[in-house]
Formats: sequence, structure tokens, C-alpha cells
Amino acid sequence: EPEVTQTPSHQVTQMGQEVILRCVPISNHLYFYWYRQILGQKVEFLVSFYNNEISEKSEIFDDQFSVERPDGSNFTLKIRSTKLEDSAMYFCASSRVDTQYFGPGTRLTVL
Amino acid sequence: GIQVEQSPPDLILQEGANSTLRCNFSDSVNNLQWFHQNPWGQLINLFYIPSGTKQNGRLSATTVATERYSLLYISSSQTTDSGVYFCAVVPWAGANSKLTFGKGITLSVRP
Repeated sequence: EPEVTQTPSHQVTQMGQEVILRCVPISNHLYFYWYRQILGQKVEFLVSFYNNEISEKSEIFDDQFSVERPDGSNFTLKIRSTKLEDSAMYFCASSRVDTQYFGPGTRLTVL
Repeated sequence: GIQVEQSPPDLILQEGANSTLRCNFSDSVNNLQWFHQNPWGQLINLFYIPSGTKQNGRLSATTVATERYSLLYISSSQTTDSGVYFCAVVPWAGANSKLTFGKGITLSVRP
């Protein structure tokens, strides 16, 4: 069964550094999402992407965040200058019609 | 935006017991998904169930869309069922839009 994959599984970075989180959505899916979960809290929406552009974004998704689909398979989330409060699990998800399928997540730790 | 409330917040069971987890939502939905977050943090899709009843092994779910609630039933619970169970919804007017998650129900199954 096709799955959403994410790399790396764990990323440790220094405050102020740039990080890129990578995702490979399921191949015939059209809608792509990033969510995050701060430890012990609920999952929060960051951004959705369709037809090579952002279709919706949350208040969390400010100018330090960007998304890109650089080729036909990858979907990336870039955080330009990481802050301590960006430490969280970041999930990529994709859907074709209705059900959103989630990747295993990237745990980002900002020191 | 739409509100999602899950109850109870915590549940402790003996292995073999049955349980019912509840999700209330504040508006009509066109997507409702139940997830199990395992100890490694992965979000496992359990059901896509905006209405009706579905069963998968020891798990079943029912959504009564007109009354704005969904129930997840776990029968003959096992220690591997432990983790956090999330309900997430997309409002009726937001097809292919973001999922809004509840705060989750932490289930502990004791041997």
C-alpha cells in the first residue's frame, strides 16, 4: 500500500539556522499539507498546497516558513530562521479526494 | 472556526475490556477521520467516516452527522491499543481543506 514518506525522521538544529523538511506524498495525490504537533499538544494545521500554489495557510505559517514542490514527487517545508518554539513534530499529509494520509513525521529539535 | 471536543480526556482499561471514545463537533462536516498516535508519534489512519458506521477488526466507528458526533468503539482491548486517539474534521464548506483536530484521548491498556 502506498505511503507518505518523510525525511529526516529527526533533525536537531541551532536557533537561527535554516532547516528543510522533506516529504514524498502518495504518487497520484493532488492535495498536500503540513501540520505540526508541539509535544503533548494537539495537531495544528500549517499550510495546504494544490496545483503548485498555497491554497490555505494558518496564522502560524508566517514569513519564516515556505513550501515548495520542486519536482513531481517531493514536497518541502523550509523554516528560514528557526526559533526555540519551532521545536515540534512536523507531519506531511496528502489526499486525492477525501481521506488525508499522514507521513511518520519529522521531529525537529531547536537548541 | 469549527470546534472539536473529545471525551474522556484519559481512559485506563484492563486488557480485554471494551471502550467508547467520543468526538463532538460544532458544525456540519464533509470529512471526519479517526487516528491512533502510537508511542513513536506516528499518526495511524483508523477510519474516514463523515457519516454512517464502519468496522475494522476489533475497532468500529459511527458518525451521526445530524447530531454532530462520532464514536469510536474498541472491543477486547490489547496493550498495543495504548496511545492517543484523535478525531479530526473538515467543515462541510471546506472540501479538501485543513483537518481540525481535537485534543485527543489518551488510552492506557494495562495487562
